[in-house]
Amino acid sequence: GQQLNQSPQSMFIQEGEDVSMNCTSSSIFNTWLWYKQDPGEGPVLLIALYKAGELTSNGRLTAQFGITRKDSFLNISASIPSDVGIYFCAGPTGANSKLTFGKGITLSVRP
Amino acid sequence: GAVVSQHPSWVICKSGTSVKIECRSLDFQATTMFWYRQFPKQSLMLMATSNEGSKATYEQGVEKDKFLINHASLTLSTLTVTSAHPEDSSFYICSASKADNSPLHFGNGTRLTVT
Repeated sequence: GQQLNQSPQSMFIQEGEDVSMNCTSSSIFNTWLWYKQDPGEGPVLLIALYKAGELTSNGRLTAQFGITRKDSFLNISASIPSDVGIYFCAGPTGANSKLTFGKGITLSVRP
Repeated sequence: GAVVSQHPSWVICKSGTSVKIECRSLDFQATTMFWYRQFPKQSLMLMATSNEGSKATYEQGVEKDKFLINHASLTLSTLTVTSAHPEDSSFYICSASKADNSPLHFGNGTRLTVT
């Protein structure tokens, strides 16, 4: 089946730094979604991308839908402690919004 | 604000008992809801697709008789873990979308601990 690859598994940055996360696939996706999950909670949608090449921002977050439709990246600028969490990329792999998730990247922000 | 509500947020049960988890869509109707399971430090794995008014569709390897899904109304899906065992301890998360091909919104999850 279609898989989404995220690496590394963990990232450690200093408060105030920018960070970029990548998500790749061997298959084409028509939609890319980025979610953030805080400990003990469900994932929260950060950004949704629907067109190849699309660049979308949500506050300090920016995400792009790769031209080949096989990758996407998420940038966080000027990180703050509350950015800590697990960031998942996801894409639909069937009807009715059925989603496949990447393995996630755990972000730690040092004050 | 939240668009999907899940209850309870955590539950502890004894081995052999059954536990019901509710998932509600708030302010919208969801003909389809999804149930995911997440083990510690792992990604979300789709368990089943809950279809209003019809049988749920289970992913490969998920026992339909163990994880009973009922989607009796357009705003409520329930997952019942029957005869729970310690290995069923996990974080169960439901999700729904407001419209076809719209992004999924997730509930806050239910932490199940089976002792």
